[in-house]
Formats: sequence, C-alpha cells, structure tokens
Amino acid sequence: DGGITQSPKYLFRKEGQNVTLSCEQNLNHDAMYWYRQDPGQGLRLIYYSQIVNDFQKGDIAEGYSVSREKKESFPLTVTSAQKNPTAFYLCASTPGGLAGAPYNEQFFGPGTRLTVL
Amino acid sequence: GQNIDQPTEMTATEGAIVQINCTYQTSGFNGLFWYQQHAGEAPTFLSYNVLDGLEEKGRFSSFLSRSKGYSYLLLKELQMKDSASYLCAVGGTDKLIFGTGTRLQVFP
Repeated sequence: DGGITQSPKYLFRKEGQNVTLSCEQNLNHDAMYWYRQDPGQGLRLIYYSQIVNDFQKGDIAEGYSVSREKKESFPLTVTSAQKNPTAFYLCASTPGGLAGAPYNEQFFGPGTRLTVL
Repeated sequence: GQNIDQPTEMTATEGAIVQINCTYQTSGFNGLFWYQQHAGEAPTFLSYNVLDGLEEKGRFSSFLSRSKGYSYLLLKELQMKDSASYLCAVGGTDKLIFGTGTRLQVFP
C-alpha cells in the first residue's frame, strides 16, 4: 500500500530537548511539506522540499530544521529554540510541479501530536 | 499579502444542505482545493476547482469564481459523519495556502 507514514503518533518531550519527527513516503513524490496545526487553527507551513537535497522555509520556520537526503524521507527537528512547540504536526507530499495543478493534491500522513512538558 | 477567509463555525441539521464559503486574496492562483479534516486526523481531499463554475462529486459540490476570489463547498443530505473541519486552500507556484478552516457540527 502506498502512502505516508509518520511516527510516532504521540510524542512527549521535556522542555529544552530537541526532538525529531519522522516522515516517510513510498508514493515516489518529489515534493514534501511539513505543517503545524494548533487547536482550532488551520495549517501553517513550516518547511517544504521540491527535490532531494533542497528545501525552503515556510511561514513559521524559526526553531525548526529539516533535511532531505532521500526522496522518501523528510524528517523535521523541533529544536529548543522553538518557543511553543506543543502542536499537531502534519507531513504531506505531492507529485511535484505547480502546487495548484489538478494532479497535485496533497496527500497527508496521519500526524504526530507533540507535547512538551 | 495572502489572505484566505472562511467562517469559523457552522451548524446544520442531519439531512439538510449547508454551504461553506471561502474568499481569497493571493498573489497567484493555480487552483483551489477543499479538504475535510476530522478531529485529530489528517486532512483528506474533497475537491478541486481551477476554472469558474461548479464541480459536483456525489453529495459534495464546489464552486469557483476567479473574478470574485470566491469559492464555496456545498454539502447535501448531511449526515452525522460530515461533522468535521473543512479547509479551503489556494494553490501557489510551489505550495498551498490554507485558510483556518470551518468547523461544521451536524445535529440530529
């Protein structure tokens, strides 16, 4: 079955610790995205990558870092510099190209709920 | 700037019809998506519009007017399982811009 996996589903960390969220896809998609969602809020873009070894900052990149060493994988690290990291994190992928093209709907992983204590 | 507006919450009765509006002002436009998101879950794709007019998919329809920067999602024959958030998103060159979502509650 093709899809996007994120692990773990729930994650707890102490304040001041870095934590890395996993995102893997076997859809052979070129583009991958990380979003953050807070209660009652829409999706805010953290980072995205259109191709291996390249990525761009989204609207709220401060306190986060990413890597894209393989097409299938786009891990997100939440660093201690992120002031308010508790949130629901969603990873998504698309085949690539224009974000609004009809073939380019975003496929989402199940999400990771991060709680910083 | 980029701005997408949707109502925050709506309520409706089982079996009824509800229309969720979305207005947008973005620097580019490459299509408009609607997603459904149940609480605690990932969004799932509902519809896509790039040309003006109505797209129908079963109980769900979506309308677009590019000149007015306006779209709506129409849900017919509402069911309890339609209680969810509905996200409007505009396609840019390399990313989607999401609205804050409309939380729909369907009552018996």
